[in-house]
Amino acid sequence: EAQVTQNPRYLITVTGKKLTVTCSQNMNHEYMSWYRQDPGLGLRQIYYSMNVEVTDKGDVPEGYKVSRKEKRNFPLILESPSPNQTSLYFCASSPPARDEQFFGPGTRLTVL
Amino acid sequence: QKEVEQDPGPLSVPEGAIVSLNCTYSNSAFQYFMWYRQYSRKGPELLMYTYSSGNKEDGRFTAQVDKSSKYISLFIRDSQPSDSATYLCAMTSDSADGLTFGKGTHLIIQP
Repeated sequence: EAQVTQNPRYLITVTGKKLTVTCSQNMNHEYMSWYRQDPGLGLRQIYYSMNVEVTDKGDVPEGYKVSRKEKRNFPLILESPSPNQTSLYFCASSPPARDEQFFGPGTRLTVL
Repeated sequence: QKEVEQDPGPLSVPEGAIVSLNCTYSNSAFQYFMWYRQYSRKGPELLMYTYSSGNKEDGRFTAQVDKSSKYISLFIRDSQPSDSATYLCAMTSDSADGLTFGKGTHLIIQP
């Protein structure tokens, strides 16, 4: 089944404790992206990657890092999480046209 | 300029009604327009995709784009309780930018 998977789905952590949210897709898509979704603010892009070893900042990159060492994986790294990063995070992937994005199931992160 | 405006609702209509959902935008460079549906606790899923101006129909759904007015619409005919969800519009230019999303409209179809 073609899909985007994210792990973990739910995470509660404390301020300053480094964490990684994994994202993997099995559709051989070049383009991958991370979004956060907050009430009243909608979906906002954090980082995106147009291909392996190519990443770029989205609208809200502060406090996040990403890497794209393999085509199928695009992990999101929070080096020192803070409470304002409490949010619902979505990973997405798409073929070269970048318009028809397929979303993962989401990761609900709470930073205390 | 990347702002997209979308009424958050909630919009509540009786089953069988025609639903109209709308977005306005300010960036004239946007050429690709999408509607996503998001059920509670799920990721968005693509419903409709249109390029430039015009209409596109898929079953009970019709997407309409008016680039001169910077206005897009999604119509749902014969609405069903299973259509209850949040509907997000999204758009992009043909540059390397990602998608810009509206904040979503929460739709409730009353049985």
